Amino acid sequence: RKEVEQDPGPFNVPEGATVAFNCTYSNSASQSFFWYRQDCRKEPKLLMSVYSSGNEDGRFTAQLNRASQYISLLIRDSKLSDSATYLCVVKNTGNQFYFGTGTSLTVIP
Amino acid sequence: SAVISQKPSRDICQRGTSLTIQCQVDSQVTMMFWYRQQPGQSLTLIATANQGSEATYESGFVIDKFPISRPNLTFSTLTVSNMSPEDSSIYLCSVEAGLVNTEAFFGQGTRLTVV
Repeated sequence: RKEVEQDPGPFNVPEGATVAFNCTYSNSASQSFFWYRQDCRKEPKLLMSVYSSGNEDGRFTAQLNRASQYISLLIRDSKLSDSATYLCVVKNTGNQFYFGTGTSLTVIP
Repeated sequence: SAVISQKPSRDICQRGTSLTIQCQVDSQVTMMFWYRQQPGQSLTLIATANQGSEATYESGFVIDKFPISRPNLTFSTLTVSNMSPEDSSIYLCSVEAGLVNTEAFFGQGTRLTVV
């Protein structure tokens, strides 16, 4: 079983739409959780960390459910510039990062 | 945060040759990580480079194919040896940094094409 699993998409949504990405992880002892954004032909960059209490950064909201081993990312009022691949990332107790396959988002004018 | 400079950014190489990728970090870090990202795939960890000791390789990756150097706390190299077209990929170096929820920072990546 993969350490991190996420729906690869693609998600094609109109501008202004709300879109949600989901991710599950297999290791219940995982310590830290992140969403990264990767633009085409670029390196991944941190979008936001994910905390048990949930956290929000502008149009982006991340949630963590430790009981279900589930992470989500919600993007409200989608912009064209949100088009990218979103990677779910989990860090385990050995400080190793595990990456999901990424979810592709295209925001359409 | 950490700023990572990786080079070359891209290269086209003949099969059977080797390419060395360099990674320079703007601060001292204990561990540096090398990943491979094949087209349409996510990142796969090749090895962890520790200063003063041999790199730790993940299953499926061996030192003879991917020798790594880590001469100091700010620099590392990854060599892709005896290349074949199957080695065509993006190679990324990464470090972990941050005060609370330490996150991964990446170099710009090296896009390798083997012909």
